[in-house]
Amino acid sequence: EAGVAQSPRYKIIEKRQSVAFWCNPISGHATLYWYQQILGQGPKLLIQFQNNGVVDDSQLPKDRFSAERLKGVDSTLKIQPAKLEDSAVYLCASSFGGAAQETQYFGPGTRLLVL
Amino acid sequence: ILNVEQSPQSLHVQEGDSTNFTCSFPSSNFYALHWYRWETAKSPEALFVMTLNGDEKKKGRISATLNTKEGYSYLYIKGSQPEDSATYLCAFRYNFNKFYFGSGTKLNVKP
Repeated sequence: EAGVAQSPRYKIIEKRQSVAFWCNPISGHATLYWYQQILGQGPKLLIQFQNNGVVDDSQLPKDRFSAERLKGVDSTLKIQPAKLEDSAVYLCASSFGGAAQETQYFGPGTRLLVL
Repeated sequence: ILNVEQSPQSLHVQEGDSTNFTCSFPSSNFYALHWYRWETAKSPEALFVMTLNGDEKKKGRISATLNTKEGYSYLYIKGSQPEDSATYLCAFRYNFNKFYFGSGTKLNVKP
């Protein structure tokens, strides 16, 4: 079974530029998560999708971050414009339905450096 | 925002030593507790999902216990090996869509 795919793996941009990350979850997984992990901290949930609907985006900085999951499969996370403090690892994860006992499967992450 | 704490922050042990880490979380509105192992340059790997007070899970040399009433979980590694070197993360889930991760325990096992 293929795992969660993410691209790019690494990205370096200057502040005020835009950047987009892509995630392809495990086939058949209805729930998709985007996390931000800043060095020295635990991952922070930015947004959770159930199929193509948003379940929770309470910690997404909506003035500069946006995410979509068209057709309920792939997802894109965008930052526009980027700030220095956005330097982090962006992790995508998926699970079958989101029930309590379900495992989340993570992708390898995208490491973003904003200069 | 809820507080999930992991201790210690880092740990250095010799090959063959047994070790354990702690994850502390709020004792109310418990939904699930997840443990992950994250090796450098790899994807975080799920170890356990625990949902019931008193749960004990085991996977090879790694085991975990859960106490939801007092708000803590322990992860144990018996006979640590160099390949166990990684960051171990716990995540507290208190309803369907609220996950809070600890900052992790970084384990280094010396041959």
